[in-house]
Amino acid sequence: EDKVVQSPLSLVVHEGDTVTLNCSYEVTNFRSLLWYKQEKKAPTFLFMLTSSGIEKKSGRLSSILDKKELFSILNITATQTGDSAVYLCAVDRPLSAGANSKLTFGKGITLSVRP
Amino acid sequence: ETGVTQSPTHLIKTRGQQVTLRCSSQSGHNTVSWYQQALGQGPQFIFQYYREEENGRGNFPPRFSGLQFPNYSSELNVNALELDDSALYLCASSFSAGGSDTQYFGPGTRLTVL
Repeated sequence: EDKVVQSPLSLVVHEGDTVTLNCSYEVTNFRSLLWYKQEKKAPTFLFMLTSSGIEKKSGRLSSILDKKELFSILNITATQTGDSAVYLCAVDRPLSAGANSKLTFGKGITLSVRP
Repeated sequence: ETGVTQSPTHLIKTRGQQVTLRCSSQSGHNTVSWYQQALGQGPQFIFQYYREEENGRGNFPPRFSGLQFPNYSSELNVNALELDDSALYLCASSFSAGGSDTQYFGPGTRLTVL
């Protein structure tokens, strides 16, 4: 059975701090790993990672994948109160019935950034 | 904003009733996946529709069923509602071309079963 474990489950930091969010996985036929940010309802897409060791970056957020050790990290530098959200990690593998993607999510990491 | 819309936003039902949730996919997308997100949990895969056919299913009973229409919009139907069905129901649309495709989520429908 596919498994995605995120840690820590919750985190409280102050504005300006740097945070590292962790995601480990066990998935058959791994295709990619995705990070989403969920503030109220809709998870919004952050990154898709398919290759080991290649950092993806968007502003203050960056992420990297290690396919040998089966984990990914999401870094947020100079945190702001607007970064407060649940961060979801998901792994993608093909559905048995076809080539389309099935996502398996972790429980999410609740990040609270205090002013 | 992803262009994926869902209706209704909120819904309250009682045990044993039936419910239909709707999702309009983003323009150009041909695949809709449905997820159930219980409080404090990550989304769990219910099933996926591709070109109007169910393409795969998670560990959900047959009382969870769906449809996809020619315009790629989709419905999720749940019969004989149980208290544990209370959750946020998310749909995600994507363009599937045989590789890893990014799924874009709608705002969800919050279902409460009393």
